[in-house]
Amino acid sequence: KAGVTQTPRYLIKTRGQQVTLSCSPISGHRSVSWYQQTPGQGLQFLFEYFSETQRNKGNFPGRFSGRQFSNSRSEMNVSTLELGDSALYLCASSADRGRIHIEAFFGQGTRLTVV
Amino acid sequence: GQQLNQSPQSMFIQEGEDVSMNCTSSSIFNTWLWYKQDPGEGPVLLIALYKAGELTSNGRLTAQFGITRKDSFLNISASIPSDVGIYFCAGYLGRAQKLVFGQGTRLTINP
Repeated sequence: KAGVTQTPRYLIKTRGQQVTLSCSPISGHRSVSWYQQTPGQGLQFLFEYFSETQRNKGNFPGRFSGRQFSNSRSEMNVSTLELGDSALYLCASSADRGRIHIEAFFGQGTRLTVV
Repeated sequence: GQQLNQSPQSMFIQEGEDVSMNCTSSSIFNTWLWYKQDPGEGPVLLIALYKAGELTSNGRLTAQFGITRKDSFLNISASIPSDVGIYFCAGYLGRAQKLVFGQGTRLTINP
């Protein structure tokens, strides 16, 4: 069974540009979550999508947005990039069994550098 | 909001030593997960715990789901160089359907 796939692995963008990152979850997983990780900041939750609907949202500005397609693949978009957006962006998928246990599996991440 | 307090933030140990780290919260969790992250990679799931009091092992790793459902610990026995990395705990809030992460424990091993 293939794992979570994120593309691209590395990206360099200029301040003010926008970027789109992609995540393909494990087959059969309907929940996809996105996290931002910067040195010393741990995993900051961006948002979660389930069945094409945003179910949870973290405390990030509106420049950060996402969507999920009918095949559960997800994209996140960051507009008007700032230097502080440089980070490792991680995607995690899970089978989601409601209130019962949930195991999230991560992709390798996309390293975004804003210059 | 919900918060997980993970400690210690960092550990510097000698190869062969045992390691212990824990996560605590004021919230009650349905599931506890422990992850390890190598530099530049995504976190990898090590152990999942589903019931209060549950004790689960994965090789040299042992984790427990606290009786109060508000805490969990991870032990690593006889550490080896490849154990180096950042360890994260995560708790699942069933009612909110939300996974909450601790801030991580950075493990460094001196050979």
